[in-house]
Amino acid sequence: NAGVTQTPKFQVLKTGQSMTLQCAQDMNHNSMYWYRQDPGMGLRLIYYSASEGTTDKGEVPNGYNVSRLNKREFSLRLESAAPSQTSVYFCATKRTGGITGELFFGEGSRLTVL
Amino acid sequence: AQRVTQPEKLLSVFKGAPVELKCNYSYSGSPELFWYVQYSRQRLQLLLRHISRESIKGFTADLNKGETSFHLKKPFAQEEDSAMYYCVPPGAGSYQLTFGKGTKLSVIP
Repeated sequence: NAGVTQTPKFQVLKTGQSMTLQCAQDMNHNSMYWYRQDPGMGLRLIYYSASEGTTDKGEVPNGYNVSRLNKREFSLRLESAAPSQTSVYFCATKRTGGITGELFFGEGSRLTVL
Repeated sequence: AQRVTQPEKLLSVFKGAPVELKCNYSYSGSPELFWYVQYSRQRLQLLLRHISRESIKGFTADLNKGETSFHLKKPFAQEEDSAMYYCVPPGAGSYQLTFGKGTKLSVIP
């Protein structure tokens, strides 16, 4: 099992360019999340999807859009990248029910916006 | 709202010394707390959950309701313990609260 897979792992963009970060999971989890990690700021929730067909804003949604394509996939789109979006992005999943709060993470996608 | 505070951004200890990573919470209702760890260039992973009262890699964490704390402890630090540690509430339903700033542990050889 691959668990949670993110692509790409690294990306360099110029200001104003767009791109999509992909996340796929094979754990049959209902909930999926996108976080960004910045030095001194910890992890901040961008968007989440409680189940297929639903998405909701987290703490820092501005400048991002998401799509829950199906149960397996949850993508994060930057329509017009800005240097402030330089960060490491993590996708995570959580099983509904079972032990609450246990998140499973991808390896991260390092994005640099010039 | 479920909130946690990790007061130390960086904690440096010598190898073999005891380690305590602090976490304080403010909750309504019965708290459930977790510790996640991120080793260099690796994905975040669950280290401990308080309900299981288990010991992982020598780490333990006891929920102290009187002090509203869930400190992570290890009696003898190892170099491989160097990592970022996050104290995390479980979130309300599917909504997963922000992790917070975390504490970077550096074990000096």
